[in-house]
Amino acid sequence: QSALTQPPSASGSPGQSVTISCTGARSDVGTYNYVSWYQQHPGKAPKVMIYEVSKRPSGVPDRFSGSRSGNTASLTVSGLQAEDEADYYCSSFAGNNNLIFGGGTHLTVL
Amino acid sequence: QVQLVESGGGVVQPGRSLRLSCAASGFTFSNYALHWVRQTPGKGLEWVAVTSYDGSNQYYADSVKGRFTISRDNSRNTLYLQMNSLRPEDTAVYYCTRDRVDMITFGGLIVYDFDYWGQGTLITVSS
Repeated sequence: QSALTQPPSASGSPGQSVTISCTGARSDVGTYNYVSWYQQHPGKAPKVMIYEVSKRPSGVPDRFSGSRSGNTASLTVSGLQAEDEADYYCSSFAGNNNLIFGGGTHLTVL
Repeated sequence: QVQLVESGGGVVQPGRSLRLSCAASGFTFSNYALHWVRQTPGKGLEWVAVTSYDGSNQYYADSVKGRFTISRDNSRNTLYLQMNSLRPEDTAVYYCTRDRVDMITFGGLIVYDFDYWGQGTLITVSS
C-alpha cells in the first residue's frame, strides 16, 4: 500500500485560510471514513485534529475542518494563527487491518 | 488524565533484539486497542502494529511482519513491542498510541485513529 500524497509545504498569512490535500486511492481514502489529520509541533507527539473525515475532537478549534472529495481528503485551517505553524499528517484506514499515512505537510504562517 | 509512557529505547546493532514498553494510566486500559506508530528522523509517520483490547488479535505492517510482536498485559496496564532482527531502517521514534474507540461502546472495533500518544522513545539501529 503506497503512502498518501500530501504537498510538502503550505503557507498563509495570519487570518487567511489554507487547505492541505491528501490524495489516496479508492481502496483507502475513497472508501473508508476513517480518515484523520494530525498536527505535530517540533519535538512533540502528534495530536489529532480531525477524525472520521470531518469530525473535530473536543478542544480543537473550529478553525480546523476536514472534508473529502473522491479519493482526496482535505484539511482547511481558517483564520490562521502563529501557533498553527506545524507539520500536518493525514492517515487513512486501508482495509485488511492496515493504516497508511501521508508524507506530511509543513505549514508556515508567514 | 490519560498518560502513555514509552521506555526501552536505545542503540542496538543490526540483527539484534529490543523490547519496548508503554505504561498506561488514567483510563481503563483493558477497554482499548493500542497501537505502535513510528517516525523516522526528519520523516513521516508509519503505523507499525495494533493489539485488540483483550490481546486476542494483533495486526502488523508488512515492513515488520514476522520480526515484531505486539503484546499487552492488562493486569499491569502495559503494552509491549518485541522487535527482533532489527534493521537500520527500523531506526525511528516509536510512539504508543490509543485507539479512539472503547470496547464498551463499540465492541471489538478498531478504528485506526489515535486520541492519545506517548512522548515516544528513540530506537537507533546501527553498528
